[in-house]
Amino acid sequence: IELTQSPSSVSASLGDRVTISCRASLHISNFLAWFQQKPGKAPKSLIYGASTLHSVVPSRFSGSGSGTDFTLTISSLQPEDFATYYCYQYSDDPHTFGQGTKLEIK
Amino acid sequence: EVQLVESGGALVKPGGSLRLSCAVSGFTFSDAWMTWVRQAPGKGLDWVGRIKSKTDGATADYAAVVKGRCTISRDDSKNTLYLQMNSLKTEDTAVYYCLLNLDYWGQGTLVTVSS
Repeated sequence: IELTQSPSSVSASLGDRVTISCRASLHISNFLAWFQQKPGKAPKSLIYGASTLHSVVPSRFSGSGSGTDFTLTISSLQPEDFATYYCYQYSDDPHTFGQGTKLEIK
Repeated sequence: EVQLVESGGALVKPGGSLRLSCAVSGFTFSDAWMTWVRQAPGKGLDWVGRIKSKTDGATADYAAVVKGRCTISRDDSKNTLYLQMNSLKTEDTAVYYCLLNLDYWGQGTLVTVSS
């Protein structure tokens, strides 16, 4: 199953609302996760089941979607949110990642 | 606190072998589904493979690019996950991460395949 993220990169300002899309090539129900990665660091888990936040993730992050189309939304960008974001499907083997979306400061 | 600590990364020649380990603490390891993910320099994340919990059969599945060359195993008595890699290629050069369920990541260990 191929995952296509859009955009590949986005520039935004502090306080902006940002949406990242992830489209699956086949139906994956809600078996989708989102991860955040900062340069030189291990990824961090944000969301699983398309919309369930991990306990330590701030509420400005949200996920939605089902089937083939999914979104990650950050409601009000904070300095620590500038990073690369990956979607990940675990519906079928082999599991796959999107190519990543780099979120940069405008 | 849940911690995952990878080890075993090294510089190895093409055709060589390496075994990576991921030691887990702070979580009931035997209940976890464990995944290996890798990231080549400057690239995105790639799924290597996953092993289910013993309760769910402890079966492993692999990405096509490593199938037949890699084996994922676990020792629940040692709370440790392994990735045995054989017939290494230059394109296997990457940081290798372990992932517990969908929740916790290790810090990564670097594998460099070069002559």
